[in-house]
Amino acid sequence: EVQLLESGGGLVEPGGSLRLSCAASGFTFYNYAMTWVRQAPGKGLEWVSSISSSGSTYYADSVKGRFTISTDNSENTVFLQMNRLRADDTALYYCAKVGETGSYSANDFWGQGTLVTVSS
Amino acid sequence: QSVLTQPPSASGTPGQRVTISCSGSRSNIGINSVSWYQQLPGTAPKLLIYSVNQRPSGVPDRLSGSKSGTSASLAISGLQSEDEADYYCAAWDDSLNGVVFGGGTKVTVL
Repeated sequence: EVQLLESGGGLVEPGGSLRLSCAASGFTFYNYAMTWVRQAPGKGLEWVSSISSSGSTYYADSVKGRFTISTDNSENTVFLQMNRLRADDTALYYCAKVGETGSYSANDFWGQGTLVTVSS
Repeated sequence: QSVLTQPPSASGTPGQRVTISCSGSRSNIGINSVSWYQQLPGTAPKLLIYSVNQRPSGVPDRLSGSKSGTSASLAISGLQSEDEADYYCAAWDDSLNGVVFGGGTKVTVL
């Protein structure tokens, strides 16, 4: 059974940093691309970043230069390092596994999310 | 303002067919595959459709997807109370070099 468990969210002041983690199990982690998607309170889904199985990375313009996605294949974990956080980064952050097609828009398994709140 | 445009709401009575549209442009829907997600209140999104019209295992065949030009659609046949949820379309955008989502459509079963 595929499981994705996010952690690392919390309350942080504007300009601060957080590192989100997503521990994966139930599939051969290093064979699949992974994605982070966020959802601000009461709003829709927003793609944040994806990383291919070979390590290529992609970012939304809103986070480019501030966020960094990475993986640790020995720990089956994907990370999202978030720096220079702003109030509009406040959201529930989901980790998702990219499906067999390899299309980053087709994420077949999702975690339950970790909440990031940016406020002074 | 989302790159992909969806109607904010749709509704129908049990048993009816409801269609949700998703309008984009050549750089996303026009040349890339479309996915659809369902999000029940308080839960993570669930993949319903990928590659325009493919269903993951476990998704009933009364849900179907289609694409024409720069628009895509999700159809729900035989509407059931359990279909009340938010629905999102998504596609890769070659110009933005990233994934774009629609703003979401709230489906209500009357």
